Amino acid sequence: GAVVSQHPSRVICKSGTSVKIECRSLDFQATTMFWYRQFPKKSLMLMATSNEGSKATYEQGVEKDKFLINHASLTLSTLTVTSAHPEDSSFYICSAKQGRWGNQPQHFGDGTRLSIL
Amino acid sequence: GQQLNQSPQSMFIQEGEDVSMNCTSSSIFNTWLWYKQDPGEGPVLLIALYKAGELTSNGRLTAQFGITRKDSFLNISASIPSDVGIYFCAGLAGGTSYGKLTFGQGTILTVHP
Repeated sequence: GAVVSQHPSRVICKSGTSVKIECRSLDFQATTMFWYRQFPKKSLMLMATSNEGSKATYEQGVEKDKFLINHASLTLSTLTVTSAHPEDSSFYICSAKQGRWGNQPQHFGDGTRLSIL
Repeated sequence: GQQLNQSPQSMFIQEGEDVSMNCTSSSIFNTWLWYKQDPGEGPVLLIALYKAGELTSNGRLTAQFGITRKDSFLNISASIPSDVGIYFCAGLAGGTSYGKLTFGQGTILTVHP
């Protein structure tokens, strides 16, 4: 149980392109989803918290107009990197948890490797 | 942002050896989690701890929630090559945090056959 699917697994695109990444909870309803960015051999850096039916909460220093998050259903959240540039190249990982409150653990997708040329 | 102090940062061991890593914090957490991440993949939950003093096992893995609620350790017994990866501790403070996790810096484990 608690399977999270992330798609695509890898994206290579030109500078200036917008890229959409999907995160789906396959066997549970996820009131809350999270988007992380990870640099090589580093820990996960939280970008934003996505709650179904409401606006995402962004961490300090993360541009909300650059990284658009939509959580339109209890099983799907999307992250769109708008007008991507080479410095946006990174490993992006989503996670999902059941319930907005409480201590249920987060379950992670397999990540998306984004490379901007 | 806040991070947990996880140590060691890396370990190089021989197959069959036991491994121990730990995390400490200046803040109290209500839940401690241990994840393993393989290269190019997302973290996978290994063990979840919900109660101070709790000791939980998952196969060759054993983890404990510190009695002060400010620390946790993970032990791996009789390591095998597939144990290679990055291990992260994570703490959950509860309250209005919406389940936001605070992560340790990770322990990179290398197992020599």
